[in-house]
Amino acid sequence: DAKTTQPPSMDCAEGRAANLPCNHSTISGNEYVYWYRQIHSQGPQYIIHGLKNNETNEMASLIITEDRKSSTLILPHATLRDTAVYYCIVRIDNYGQNFVFGPGTRLSVLP
Amino acid sequence: DVKVTQSSRYLVKRTGEKVFLECVQDMDHENMFWYRQDPGLGLRLIYFSYDVKMKEKGDIPEGYSVSREKKERFSLILESASTNQTSMYLCASSHIWGGEKLFFGSGTQLSVL
Repeated sequence: DAKTTQPPSMDCAEGRAANLPCNHSTISGNEYVYWYRQIHSQGPQYIIHGLKNNETNEMASLIITEDRKSSTLILPHATLRDTAVYYCIVRIDNYGQNFVFGPGTRLSVLP
Repeated sequence: DVKVTQSSRYLVKRTGEKVFLECVQDMDHENMFWYRQDPGLGLRLIYFSYDVKMKEKGDIPEGYSVSREKKERFSLILESASTNQTSMYLCASSHIWGGEKLFFGSGTQLSVL
């Protein structure tokens, strides 16, 4: 599975959009981009995933560049409860395959 | 909502004890996973299972074993606990297809003294 690079930490003002970048320059054509987050003292939580096209759900939007070498997770109106570690993972969507969690980005939403 | 339940939130054991960590999921998921999480090292996969009585080693299986006698239950066993197994242990499950959504339990913080 391709490696990802994320900034170790970011701040965002409450109510503003949080844009979390992820680089995955070695991604291959059949690898998906996934985002999870982990709020303190809880297990990670699935947010969103995509292959080529931009995706949106009730939690966030995922923007994948045309060359697929990077992506951005957007939380449109960050709240204090969005303070968490955000993990970007790329993997082939195969049966039984593991998710490899890197160190992620620690997002702090500030009042 | 999917529920992945881990039997204990906090556990304190002595070196050399046999430790059982239990995980139960209620969504009929085929895949189940055990991770440990340590500061600075992220989540690391210990074992996973894609069916009853099936198991596969993850990245760090040494010192651990697992049991999956029923589809909903996946147990992690520390045969002889050691201090370097002090960690947060996280169980997760997913369907075999649509495996993108891993559902995690709240974790067990194990301290081995």
